[in-house]
Amino acid sequence: KAGVTQTPRYLIKTRGQQVTLSCSPISGHRSVSWYQQTPGQGLQFLFEYFSETQRNKGNFPGRFSGRQFSNSRSEMNVSTLELGDSALYLCASSPGFGGDEQFFGPGTRLTVL
Amino acid sequence: GQQVMQIPQYQHVQEGEDFTTYCNSSTTLSNIQWYKQRPGGHPVFLIQLVKSGEVKKQKRLTFQFGEAKKNSSLHITATQTTDVGTYFCAGRGVGTSYGKLTFGQGTILTVHP
Repeated sequence: KAGVTQTPRYLIKTRGQQVTLSCSPISGHRSVSWYQQTPGQGLQFLFEYFSETQRNKGNFPGRFSGRQFSNSRSEMNVSTLELGDSALYLCASSPGFGGDEQFFGPGTRLTVL
Repeated sequence: GQQVMQIPQYQHVQEGEDFTTYCNSSTTLSNIQWYKQRPGGHPVFLIQLVKSGEVKKQKRLTFQFGEAKKNSSLHITATQTTDVGTYFCAGRGVGTSYGKLTFGQGTILTVHP
């Protein structure tokens, strides 16, 4: 089976712009979670989607949003980018919700200038 | 909200020495997972502990889940250079936090040959 894929792998944006990141989970996986990873804050949970519904949300401002499509693919959007949004954004998929191991993708490295 | 603290933040060992990282949650967990992230890579699932007092072993790695399901540890016996990386614990909440996976800050392990 192919692993979790994320596009793009690298992205450079300027403050105030918006960005959309994409995640394709492992075939058959219905849950997708998003994390922000920075050297200072570690892995911070953004949100989790299961069957197109957001099931959990982390403590991020409303500028961070996401969605999941019927084929389980997911996108996350960050509007009005700030310098502090520079991070590695990781997507993880799992077969179900609430207890399964997470399979991480390679991440999207976002740099905000 | 749910918080997961992990110590130490850094650990430098000589090859052959043992290594332990500890994880403490502010709330009772439904389960705890451990992940390893190699430098430049993404987190990879190691194991999940579900039962109170559970102990699991994987070759040189021993994982424990506390009786109160609020703490956990990972112990590596006789470290090797291939053990280098960041080890994360991740706890799943109960009740209103059900399903939400909160990661510890991680322990960065360096192994000197």
